[in-house]
Amino acid sequence: DTGVSQDPRHKITKRGQNVTFRCDPISEHNRLYWYRQTLGQGPEFLTYFQNEAQLEKSRLLSDRFSAERPKGSFSTLEIQRTEQGDSAMYLCASSQGQVMNTEAFFGQGTRLTVV
Amino acid sequence: DQQVKQNSPSLSVQEGRISILNCDYTNSMFDYFLWYKKYPAEGPTFLISISSIKDKNEDGRFTVFLNKSAKHLSLHIVPSQPGDSAVYFCAASAFITQGGSEKLVFGKGTKLTVNP
Repeated sequence: DTGVSQDPRHKITKRGQNVTFRCDPISEHNRLYWYRQTLGQGPEFLTYFQNEAQLEKSRLLSDRFSAERPKGSFSTLEIQRTEQGDSAMYLCASSQGQVMNTEAFFGQGTRLTVV
Repeated sequence: DQQVKQNSPSLSVQEGRISILNCDYTNSMFDYFLWYKKYPAEGPTFLISISSIKDKNEDGRFTVFLNKSAKHLSLHIVPSQPGDSAVYFCAASAFITQGGSEKLVFGKGTKLTVNP
């Protein structure tokens, strides 16, 4: 296991189209997070799963965004009817659930460009 | 409302000298603090962390200091090396006081350049 894997690395889409990103966490990690990073900013929290349960969602996650982790392993983040403001780097991270306050390990991200 | 602030967008130091990166926070509920390093086109990489019950944590060349009364933390890198050149993000979470929330709140980052 080489770490958190995200696919695709880059996505260019036309405004109004739907896009879906995938994240494969480190295999023994039961916690999975999605963040979004725009230019000049730090990553901003979107949502968090423990196993298959989605425990927290940011107000940044509008109704056009949906995230799933159906079997408690990989996760998908779907954006419907994309807008130019959705252009950003989408980062996935995972951490172990056994110990409080363990560090999260990030994937390389999916860069989305909406044209 | 920026709850975690890194007021220096950039820092330049000479190889072998100390690098000091600063971070301020406003939310007194934060109980765990982390530093991440990020190279271009890569995701953030965990560097070092500190719990609010401590005031110092050291790992090799990296030391993090926490001053809770001032709501301030700093990352010291000694000695600095050219390979340390990257963007450094300060992050905080409020796990205990916010019912087990794992979410991290990040600063905007400081770009460190270590000159040979």
